[in-house]
Amino acid sequence: DVKVTQSSRYLVKRTGEKVFLECVQDMDHENMFWYRQDPGLGLRLIYFSYDVKMKEKGDIPEGYSVSREKKERFSLILESASTNQTSMYLCASRFSGRRGNEQFFGPGTRLTVL
Amino acid sequence: GNSVTQMEGPVTLSEEAFLTINCTYTATGYPSLFWYVQYPGEGLQLLLKATKADDKGSNKGFEATYRKETTSFHLEKGSVQVSDSAVYFCGGSQGNLIFGKGTKLSVKP
Repeated sequence: DVKVTQSSRYLVKRTGEKVFLECVQDMDHENMFWYRQDPGLGLRLIYFSYDVKMKEKGDIPEGYSVSREKKERFSLILESASTNQTSMYLCASRFSGRRGNEQFFGPGTRLTVL
Repeated sequence: GNSVTQMEGPVTLSEEAFLTINCTYTATGYPSLFWYVQYPGEGLQLLLKATKADDKGSNKGFEATYRKETTSFHLEKGSVQVSDSAVYFCGGSQGNLIFGKGTKLSVKP
């Protein structure tokens, strides 16, 4: 079974802190994604990566950065956390190539910024 | 640009009722279409998919048919169960996956 794991299920941080959210997948997927999920807004793509050391901005990259130093790991970084970044963060991965390839999701990290 | 629109919830049904959740897409070509489900406290998991016109995806009693003429991919189930209570997301992909906003389904015994 494909497994996508995220480092924390729940996280509480203070405004201004630097926050790292980690995602690891074990199926050798090339593509990895970070989304945030908010009520009434659905899932919005923050950043994605087609392969190691590659990254592309999604729809809402402001206030975030990412790192993909190894194929299995994709990190989301909040350089200076703000209260409007309180949200559920979901990581996903998939094989590249065919557009019909499904994405596999991690369980999510619920981040609260105080 | 490309977009996916699905019916807003919440939807509340009694057990064994018929379910339809509408989903339409706007795209320059013909995307692959997906339905994902999110159970409480979990991430999203693929429910079913279709990659070309007239394809029917099915899983766990759920079905959806890719209708090119109406650009739709409506999710249906003939008899829902309490365990189907979840949030359902429609998605389309011609590269990156674009999601609808989700429809929360509650099934009462």
